[in-house]
Amino acid sequence: GAGVSQSPRYKVAKRGQDVALRCDPISGHVSLFWYQQALGQGPEFLTYFQNEAQLDKSGLPSDRFFAERPEGSVSTLKIQRTQQEDSAVYLCASSLGTSNTGELFFGEGSRLTVL
Amino acid sequence: GNSVTQMEGPVTLSEEAFLTINCTYTATGYPSLFWYVQYPGEGLQLLLKATKADDKGSNKGFEATYRKETTSFHLEKGSVQVSDSAVYFCALIPNTGGFKTIFGAGTRLFVKA
Repeated sequence: GAGVSQSPRYKVAKRGQDVALRCDPISGHVSLFWYQQALGQGPEFLTYFQNEAQLDKSGLPSDRFFAERPEGSVSTLKIQRTQQEDSAVYLCASSLGTSNTGELFFGEGSRLTVL
Repeated sequence: GNSVTQMEGPVTLSEEAFLTINCTYTATGYPSLFWYVQYPGEGLQLLLKATKADDKGSNKGFEATYRKETTSFHLEKGSVQVSDSAVYFCALIPNTGGFKTIFGAGTRLFVKA
């Protein structure tokens, strides 16, 4: 499709399990962002890639969170040893350029529930 | 630091009523300002934006004016429709370097027929 695609849409994990969330951005989009959205809240920034370079990871809540974009297109967000507080919707967004006036295109999100 | 504050919801209106959703921001310099909308079951999408003071963004009958003196970017629509029912997010990107978009908590709008 032409939009941002995320998978899986829903993931249930037992506490302590590792999870991997995938994002396929719009083709040709240079910038890619990961956000975490708790229930009833706005998206909170996690990390930013410009092509394959991770330029900002200041929002990652702990060293259990890791993101990569090795070829500058598909990105994976990995959460190790999941905890209940990791339950949230994880949003991926891409943007054509690197301007601070640019529009973000969001996927529908991956809803993670940690039991 | 940079932040966005928007009015709490839910906001419930009858069709054809006037809508205002308040948004104020804290940021150094002149950030770019945005409104995003999330319809049920869909991802966030850009509704409108303004990149400098006194600019007015508009789209689909919605408007918002960048007010530097009051650090505000209130969303308005003259006559809402049932199809406008959604969650609305005010957001900013600082102009101090970096490309991080900072979002408010969102305001849910219900429009009754």
